[in-house]
Amino acid sequence: AQSVTQLDSQVPVFEEAPVELRCNYSSSVSVYLFWYVQYPNQGLQLLLKYLSGSTLVESINGFEAEFNKSQTSFHLRKPSVHISDTAEYFCAVSDRNNQGGKLIFGQGTELSVKP
Amino acid sequence: DTAVSQTPKYLVTQMGNDKSIKCEQNLGHDTMYWYKQDSKKFLKIMFSYNNKELIINETVPNRFSPKSPDKAHLNLHINSLELGDSAVYFCASSRSDRNYGYTFGSGTRLTVV
Repeated sequence: AQSVTQLDSQVPVFEEAPVELRCNYSSSVSVYLFWYVQYPNQGLQLLLKYLSGSTLVESINGFEAEFNKSQTSFHLRKPSVHISDTAEYFCAVSDRNNQGGKLIFGQGTELSVKP
Repeated sequence: DTAVSQTPKYLVTQMGNDKSIKCEQNLGHDTMYWYKQDSKKFLKIMFSYNNKELIINETVPNRFSPKSPDKAHLNLHINSLELGDSAVYFCASSRSDRNYGYTFGSGTRLTVV
């Protein structure tokens, strides 16, 4: 079984400041890792994923996340945030050996970017 | 073209009623899911279907009955609605032979009064 813990429920930051949203996971099997973003009153959109290869993965809008196997973490970072990044961010894992299997989500982190 | 579409977007109904939510995907995916997002935004899987076959049923009350007429559709029927069923319900789809993550619908906000 897998579980995901997002260590911060709310992260307020000022525009153009850097941000890190923390995610730790627990699993007895190898996993794939994902970050999803949910803008107000919308569905979830895939932000980035780690499947294999380089442990640093990037999204098209400047976010990046690093898979750290020893610390079982997959923290999300952005060097300079915009007002438009205000949203709920979810970290998720799935069993690498069960590709049709379920995604297990963390509790979410609300990122609030202030001018 | 909407990849995963859900209808209705909003649903307000009284306790005890029966209601359905429909979901369709045009991505050619073979697996579809229903997730429930509660008031604290926690997401929990309810059901998963692969090629019309139920593969995940996560201790959901039997008042909830999913139906998959084909692999592009997964509907959710809820009998005898209760106040605690109020939530946002998300449909999602994926390919079972690739783990590119899920594609989610925009959600159905169900309010039971």
